Amino acid sequence: GNSVTQMEGPVTLSEEAFLTINCTYTATGYPSLFWYVQYPGEGLQLLLKATKADDKGSNKGFEATYRKETTSFHLEKGSVQVSDSAVYFCALSSRGNEKLTFGTGTRLTIIP
Amino acid sequence: GAVVSQHPSRVICKSGTSVKIECRSLDFQATTMFWYRQFPKKSLMLMATSNEGSKATYEQGVEKDKFLINHASLTLSTLTVTSAHPEDSSFYICSASGTGGQPQHFGDGTRLSIL
Repeated sequence: GNSVTQMEGPVTLSEEAFLTINCTYTATGYPSLFWYVQYPGEGLQLLLKATKADDKGSNKGFEATYRKETTSFHLEKGSVQVSDSAVYFCALSSRGNEKLTFGTGTRLTIIP
Repeated sequence: GAVVSQHPSRVICKSGTSVKIECRSLDFQATTMFWYRQFPKKSLMLMATSNEGSKATYEQGVEKDKFLINHASLTLSTLTVTSAHPEDSSFYICSASGTGGQPQHFGDGTRLSIL
């Protein structure tokens, strides 16, 4: 079956630091890949997505590239801000199936 | 952008009570709605998928009679936790998607605490 593995948190960084949150997946076929963000007390928001190999999703300074050869979709941001503090979830869905499979989430805290 | 409203945001009740949680899509027609459960420091676990006008499809291990799901219209789905017990305490999140492979839009979640 499908599965998503992402780096365990919590992750604490200083403002303007470089961020990487690793995500790898197991799936049959060619899944779509997503990063969701959950701010305190809120539901999940779609941050970015990629639907095929070598696609790069980007939003709000965050990027992730769909790497089929390494089955990875690592999230990166060049300079984080305090407002980026949240829990980040990597997820996938198989072709023709809307069900999302989530990783365990990574809590990110940015300190001024 | 698409908005999904979930209500209530928090509920505390006694053991044995039934609790209903509503999930509404405010500005689009949600042909499919999903219900998730999130344990502390854990990921989201899909409980069931519901399509408007048909019975929900439950994931393995989720009790249908315990977690009643109704998706009576294109803008509303409800989850009723029947005869809730302390082990049902959790964070429940709904999501909704429209037609054409649109991504899921999530509600803000409901924190359920059973005393």
